[in-house]
Amino acid sequence: DQQVKQNSPSLSVQEGRISILNCDYTNSMFDYFLWYKKYPAEGPTFLISISSIKDKNEDGRFTVFLNKSAKHLSLHIVPSQPGDSAVYFCAASENSGTYKYIFGTGTRLKVLA
Amino acid sequence: NAGVMQNPRHLVRRRGQEARLRCSPMKGHSHVYWYRQLPEEGLKFMVYLQKENIIDESGMPKERFSAEFPKEGPSILRIQQVVRGDSAAYFCASSPPTVPGYTFGSGTRLTVV
Repeated sequence: DQQVKQNSPSLSVQEGRISILNCDYTNSMFDYFLWYKKYPAEGPTFLISISSIKDKNEDGRFTVFLNKSAKHLSLHIVPSQPGDSAVYFCAASENSGTYKYIFGTGTRLKVLA
Repeated sequence: NAGVMQNPRHLVRRRGQEARLRCSPMKGHSHVYWYRQLPEEGLKFMVYLQKENIIDESGMPKERFSAEFPKEGPSILRIQQVVRGDSAAYFCASSPPTVPGYTFGSGTRLTVV
């Protein structure tokens, strides 16, 4: 049972436009969410996080939105750059103290120059 | 200011051999996590360790897999009698206590032939 779902395996966006990556979850106990970016042959790199007490968190070109009632979060990248081309994973955790994260299967973003 | 160090980067083992994957956490990080990524899948949690303690091993296969994080030295993920299905990328991550989110290493790519 996939508790964290990224239903779009891939996304192509023109340079300078907005990229929107989506993530849905089923466990209402999740209260902390992360986005990671991964280049081939490298480990995931932390991008941005959000706690369930917020509905939005911004960091430069990256903004994460959380809709708890819909159990949905999204990552917006504006403006998109070719260097943003990577696989993006969302991850969720319960407040269990162990910080064990459940990862989605990833969305491959390609930013076209 | 080294990040999370994993070695080897690539490991080839014949079926039935043992694989040992090493992970040195970032300086100041006392929590270590191991994740596995099978081809075309997301990262799956395996085990969470603190020094000399296994905190959560709910993602570890029941047989052939073990992990340790000794008082001195790196964390070790050991896979005994490897099979082809063990071929995957194994990522280690570390975090300080009480801080959500972690830093990943570059991974060890295990190939069983």
